[in-house]
Amino acid sequence: DVKVTQSSRYLVKRTGEKVFLECVQDMDHENMFWYRQDPGLGLRLIYFSYDVKMKEKGDIPEGYSVSREKKERFSLILESASTNQTSMYLCASHRPGSPPYEQYFGPGTRLTVT
Amino acid sequence: DAKTTQPPSMDCAEGRAANLPCNHSTISGNEYVYWYRQIHSQGPQYIIHGLKNNETNEMASLIITEDRKSSTLILPHATLRDTAVYYCIVRATDKLIFGTGTRLQVFP
Repeated sequence: DVKVTQSSRYLVKRTGEKVFLECVQDMDHENMFWYRQDPGLGLRLIYFSYDVKMKEKGDIPEGYSVSREKKERFSLILESASTNQTSMYLCASHRPGSPPYEQYFGPGTRLTVT
Repeated sequence: DAKTTQPPSMDCAEGRAANLPCNHSTISGNEYVYWYRQIHSQGPQYIIHGLKNNETNEMASLIITEDRKSSTLILPHATLRDTAVYYCIVRATDKLIFGTGTRLQVFP
């Protein structure tokens, strides 16, 4: 089974702190994605990566950056956390060439910024 | 990419069929229709997909209208564990764009 894991299920940070959200997949997938999910807004794509050291902006990249130093790991970084970044963050991975629907999700990290 | 419209919520009695509609009137010829669901506190889970023909798997059936402007996900015998938010997505590339989905509540 494809396994996508995220470093924390719940995280509480203070405004202005630097926050790292880690995502690891064990299926050698090239594509990895970060989404945030908010009530009434569904899932929105923040950043994605098609390969190591490659990244592309999604629909809402402002306030975020990413790092992909190894194929299996995709990190989302909040340089200076703000209260409007309180959200559920979901990571996903996908193998290029496989159908787009074969995008596998991690369990999510619920981040609260106070 | 085509935009999808789904009702915000639906109820279904346990054991009955749940029919979840989705409108995608601007769908283009190479775009597939995908359905995912998200059970509370879990990541989204793929259910089924289709292009033109109706599809069925062990989880659900997908009915796509002939003009492809709408589709219906059918859970033939809903159980309490099917309570979730169901997302209809229309996409041609690797990126999936989720809308707000339909919250399905299955009741005893």
